[in-house]
Amino acid sequence: EVQLLESGGTLVQPGGSLRLSCAVSGLTFSAYAMTWVRQAPGKGLEWVSTITSRHGGDTFYADSVRGRFTISRDNSQNTLYLQMNSLRAEDTGFYYCATTIIRYFADNWGQGTLVTVSS
Amino acid sequence: DIQMTQSPSSVSASIGDRVTITCRASQDIGSWLAWLQHKAGKGPKLLILTASSLQSGVPSRFSGSGSGTDFTLTISSLQPEDFATYYCQQTSNFPQTFGQGTKLEIK
Repeated sequence: EVQLLESGGTLVQPGGSLRLSCAVSGLTFSAYAMTWVRQAPGKGLEWVSTITSRHGGDTFYADSVRGRFTISRDNSQNTLYLQMNSLRAEDTGFYYCATTIIRYFADNWGQGTLVTVSS
Repeated sequence: DIQMTQSPSSVSASIGDRVTITCRASQDIGSWLAWLQHKAGKGPKLLILTASSLQSGVPSRFSGSGSGTDFTLTISSLQPEDFATYYCQQTSNFPQTFGQGTKLEIK
């Protein structure tokens, strides 16, 4: 059974930093590109970032997070990361990780981790 | 960026009803469209990819159609577990973009 487990979400002050993790099991992690998607309270889904399958792979970011967030992966630990710096109130929400298949369709999803940016 | 416009934003329906949700892209995305189901407290679930391919394990009452700029998700006979929010998503170009969502409620 494929499982994705996000962690690291918490309350953080504006301007602060946080690192989210996504532990993946049940598949060959190194073969999959990975994606982060978020949902602000009362809003819809928003794509955040994607990384291709190889360690240190190509990365893609939403304009709203480029320069502040960094996606990375450790294929030896089957873990995806999202380093979030200079956090803003509008970064508040649930963050989901997902494995992606052809043309980056997100097929397996985690349950999400909640990030709250507030003073 | 490619804008995805879904309609309706909400719909009320009964068990057994047929429901159709539409999604329009601001430019040609070929068949690079997904439909996802999202329930509160859970991660989203991929239903349809490449506009019309049913993801493994998804019931056959779900179907997708369209290409280019106009797409449709149809649920042929609503079941209790289908009440959720549905999103279209384009993967043609980065940044990937979602429609604003359609909330499917019980009538």
